[in-house]
Amino acid sequence: NAGVMQNPRHLVRRRGQEARLRCSPMKGHSHVYWYRQLPEEGLKFMVYLQKENIIDESGMPKERFSAEFPKEGPSILRIQQVVRGDSAAYFCASSPPTGQTNEQFFGPGTRLTVL
Amino acid sequence: QKEVEQNSGPLSVPEGAIASLNCTYSDRGSQSFFWYRQYSGKSPELIMSIYSNGDKEDGRFTAQLNKASQYVSLLIRDSQPSDSATYLCAGDSSYKLIFGSGTRLLVRP
Repeated sequence: NAGVMQNPRHLVRRRGQEARLRCSPMKGHSHVYWYRQLPEEGLKFMVYLQKENIIDESGMPKERFSAEFPKEGPSILRIQQVVRGDSAAYFCASSPPTGQTNEQFFGPGTRLTVL
Repeated sequence: QKEVEQNSGPLSVPEGAIASLNCTYSDRGSQSFFWYRQYSGKSPELIMSIYSNGDKEDGRFTAQLNKASQYVSLLIRDSQPSDSATYLCAGDSSYKLIFGSGTRLLVRP
């Protein structure tokens, strides 16, 4: 499967727990983006990463949220001490290296439910 | 704040008709525009990208861009019930995409 992979597809957490979402980009892609889609709302940019670098985290809440894209392994979006308002679909997208098309391709998403 | 605006719909068209979806954007620095299709409960699927003024055709889809008017549109010819979905318009802003809230399209058999 050469597409963007995300897991888990569904995640249920109780308030105060941690949520860890993983994303593996398409083969050959080096840029990863995380977006959040609240119920009945549009997609909102959260963070843009390249390997070992956070390029733009302007859309990420300052507290409780963090992201990384290590040299080896998937990108991780981490939400600490989750609250009910964090319930949403979290999508990861990837694009090829700079200089090629900036088309972004989305993974299937992780649907987070906070009880 | 940089924004992309879309009519939320629903836009209802009969099967076989042309569906016309529109979007406007506020960031004159945006160079690339994209149309995504999103079925309920699924992830966005890229269907068209457009980078220069004019029309771009791909099968039953035609994207149109007018940078002077800051306007992007998507035409779907010979609409099918399987085209019923939410269509998201997006413009780039320093690599990230700014999305509109989407237009819900309903194609009636």
